[in-house]
Amino acid sequence: DAGITQSPRHKVTETGTPVTLRCHQTENHRYMYWYRQDPGHGLRLIHYSYGVKDTDKGEVSDGYSVSRSKTEDFLLTLESATSSQTSVYFCAISEFNEQFFGPGTRLTVL
Amino acid sequence: QKEVEQNSGPLSVPEGAIASLNCTYSDRGSQSFFWYRQYSGKSPELIMFIYSNGDKEDGRFTAQLNKASQYVSLLIRDSQPSDSATYLCAVIWGNQFYFGTGTSLTVIP
Repeated sequence: DAGITQSPRHKVTETGTPVTLRCHQTENHRYMYWYRQDPGHGLRLIHYSYGVKDTDKGEVSDGYSVSRSKTEDFLLTLESATSSQTSVYFCAISEFNEQFFGPGTRLTVL
Repeated sequence: QKEVEQNSGPLSVPEGAIASLNCTYSDRGSQSFFWYRQYSGKSPELIMFIYSNGDKEDGRFTAQLNKASQYVSLLIRDSQPSDSATYLCAVIWGNQFYFGTGTSLTVIP
């Protein structure tokens, strides 16, 4: 398995609170991605990074921000969580097209 | 708008049969195509990728790509109950991966 970890693995929070999810890789891959997965919508890209401090928006970026200060870490922040952000969040990494996923974080916003 | 379409299923096949999964994509510009398997409650895992027109075989799996018709398919030979999962098709455009919503496959013993 590719060396990707996500933390926390499960989180329950309340509407309006800030939440930060962490993705950590040990593969030294250049690209890192954050997706959310919801029934009926499949995997949708939130943000991605193509290097330290280099990030770009994906399909569903509203309400989310990201940061990448080190090659190995990619943080996803929900500034003020809403119930519509209840989802399973996956981090992924890639170097040459092939993409590998972390174990996921299940986030519930009450 | 870049779209990747898959039949959601569920697709049921008996053990030992061939399972055929299909995917169409909207933009001719893509060059790279992927199949992922996702077990319930788990993360997607890469099982096949294909870049060129034609067939690519890996064990019991065969990926088929037809760029002129804009479709990619996955054949699973000698299907096993352990193949029961959701299969996701993915296409790269630029630096971004676009996923279909997945096809649920059940292999009946």
